[in-house]
Amino acid sequence: NAGVTQTPKFQVLKTGQSMTLQCAQDMNHEYMSWYRQDPGMGLRLIHYSVGAGITDQGEVPNGYNVSRSTTEDFPLRLLSAAPSQTSVYFCASSYSADRGYTFGSGTRLTVV
Amino acid sequence: ELKVEQNPLFLSMQEGKNYTIYCNYSTTSDRLYWYRQDPGKSLESLFVLLSNGAVKQEGRLMASLDTKARLSTLHITAAVHDLSATYFCVNQFYFGTGTSLTVIP
Repeated sequence: NAGVTQTPKFQVLKTGQSMTLQCAQDMNHEYMSWYRQDPGMGLRLIHYSVGAGITDQGEVPNGYNVSRSTTEDFPLRLLSAAPSQTSVYFCASSYSADRGYTFGSGTRLTVV
Repeated sequence: ELKVEQNPLFLSMQEGKNYTIYCNYSTTSDRLYWYRQDPGKSLESLFVLLSNGAVKQEGRLMASLDTKARLSTLHITAAVHDLSATYFCVNQFYFGTGTSLTVIP
């Protein structure tokens, strides 16, 4: 099992550009989520999904879109990048809410 | 209003000593998770606590949950350098700000 795979690992964007952060898991997990980690603020939930075709907003969803067309993939789209979106992004998946999440290795995004 | 409050935020302790990290939460969910993160790395799941009085132990770490007090603790016994990391408690999907632990020889 590869676990949770995130690509790219690093990305620099210009303000106003759009991009998609990829997340794939091969553990047949129903639950998937996206977090951003900023210094001194812990991790904050952006969007989450409890199964294919089902997504919902987390704490900080503005400026981000997600979709879940398959169990394996949960891409995060930045619509129009802003410097405030400079952060480390983690994707995570779990079999259920009663299990711990498996985290990907993260994507370090810088918006200039 | 912080949903999950951890303290201390920073902890420097000597090898061989014991210490406890505290996590207070305010949501109505009583699922509590503990994660470890090494600098520049991803997060590793340590414990999942689902019911009042739950206690889980792994090596020198022991986690407990008191749902009536909405309090979880992570107890470190006889700390070793390898435990140096940041520890997060998570309630529902809300993360605490983390406790940065440094174990000094």
